[in-house]
Amino acid sequence: DTAVSQTPKYLVTQMGNDKSIKCEQNLGHDTMYWYKQDSKKFLKIMFSYNNKELIINETVPNRFSPKSPDKAHLNLHINSLELGDSAVYFCASSQGITGDQETQYFGPGTRLLVL
Amino acid sequence: SQQGEEDPQALSIQEGENATMNCSYKTSINNLQWYRQNSGRGLVHLILIRSNEREKHSGRLRVTLDTSKKSSSLLITASRAADTASYFCATDDSSYKLIFGSGTRLLVRP
Repeated sequence: DTAVSQTPKYLVTQMGNDKSIKCEQNLGHDTMYWYKQDSKKFLKIMFSYNNKELIINETVPNRFSPKSPDKAHLNLHINSLELGDSAVYFCASSQGITGDQETQYFGPGTRLLVL
Repeated sequence: SQQGEEDPQALSIQEGENATMNCSYKTSINNLQWYRQNSGRGLVHLILIRSNEREKHSGRLRVTLDTSKKSSSLLITASRAADTASYFCATDDSSYKLIFGSGTRLLVRP
């Protein structure tokens, strides 16, 4: 059973389009995250939700809007896609947000290419 | 924002040799974690060391932490071709997020 799953795995789209990436975790974790990994493999946190509440928003452009319908799901909607949005987006989850509970479990990634 | 720096950026060794990667960070931390990323995959947690610990072992992995120097090292002993991956350190500084370093790309030649 996949612990953290993301769909789609690949996403190729035109500039200006709107797209969504979905993430689900079956670990019973309370906290979920979205990361962006650029072409140099640098991994940067974008958002974090704990029990469906936003706790981290790392000055991401407001074209990016996360939504957590329940604590097992955290989706990412991106409006008006730009070339610079091309990257690999990773979803992750952890049991809690402090101390040893912060070991994170990552999904396989969504490779977004904006043309 | 603060982030870790891994050193070296890339490392190529022969199978059976040991691989050592270093990580430096900037702020006080609660714990430091190491993750592995195989090509085209997500990150996998390897080991967590708390700020009051100096050394930790897990199988062929040995992690050290020197909080006075704000640095950590990951040693992989008796490396295997399957250890080929990128390795990232990540620090927890009580801001509800992990800050990842830039990664070390390890190539283990058969």
